[in-house]
Amino acid sequence: AQRVTQPEKLLSVFKGAPVELKCNYSYSGSPELFWYVQYSRQRLQLLLRHISRESIKGFTADLNKGETSFHLKKPFAQEEDSAMYYCALRTGNDMRFGAGTRLTVKP
Amino acid sequence: DGGITQSPKYLFRKEGQNVTLSCEQNLNHDAMYWYRQDPGQGLRLIYYSQIVNDFQKGDIAEGYSVSREKKESFPLTVTSAQKNPTAFYLCASSPSYRSYEQYFGPGTRLTVT
Repeated sequence: AQRVTQPEKLLSVFKGAPVELKCNYSYSGSPELFWYVQYSRQRLQLLLRHISRESIKGFTADLNKGETSFHLKKPFAQEEDSAMYYCALRTGNDMRFGAGTRLTVKP
Repeated sequence: DGGITQSPKYLFRKEGQNVTLSCEQNLNHDAMYWYRQDPGQGLRLIYYSQIVNDFQKGDIAEGYSVSREKKESFPLTVTSAQKNPTAFYLCASSPSYRSYEQYFGPGTRLTVT
């Protein structure tokens, strides 16, 4: 069965520290993985997708098929990064979301 | 802040009553989705529609119904058969079902007492 696991419900780091939000998936096919973000009082929106292999707002995520992971990383966290982050797996028919990780970046 | 709208923002109903949540989009998107968001459980797909006059059940469709009579509208009815209806409901749309990005509405918080 397809599943997305985000093991950390809450993550807190200080400004300027590196941050890594973990995401693991289970899917027997070729996965399409995404990170969505929801800032306070804003809508849920796409942050990045693994196919594009680009950095958005300083965040990157690498698909590791061997470890079935798609962790989101940023070398120097900023206060404006505080938000709810969802990892999502797209299979043939639908998009499955993880439970989310609330990131707090403290000054 | 248009694009995809949901109304109302907050909705209160008594147990045993059906309630319909509105979702409208002016993005000319073919595909639309309804998710339920509960604390600690992420988003779970209720129903989706690939094109007008078509819709499919998601993972947790029991107790819900939808219609897609117009491209821009995808209302969700929470029926009295839904055992735990109090939740935050998110509607989304995408240009087509094969599109990788979904665009989300602001959500409706439904409270049933």
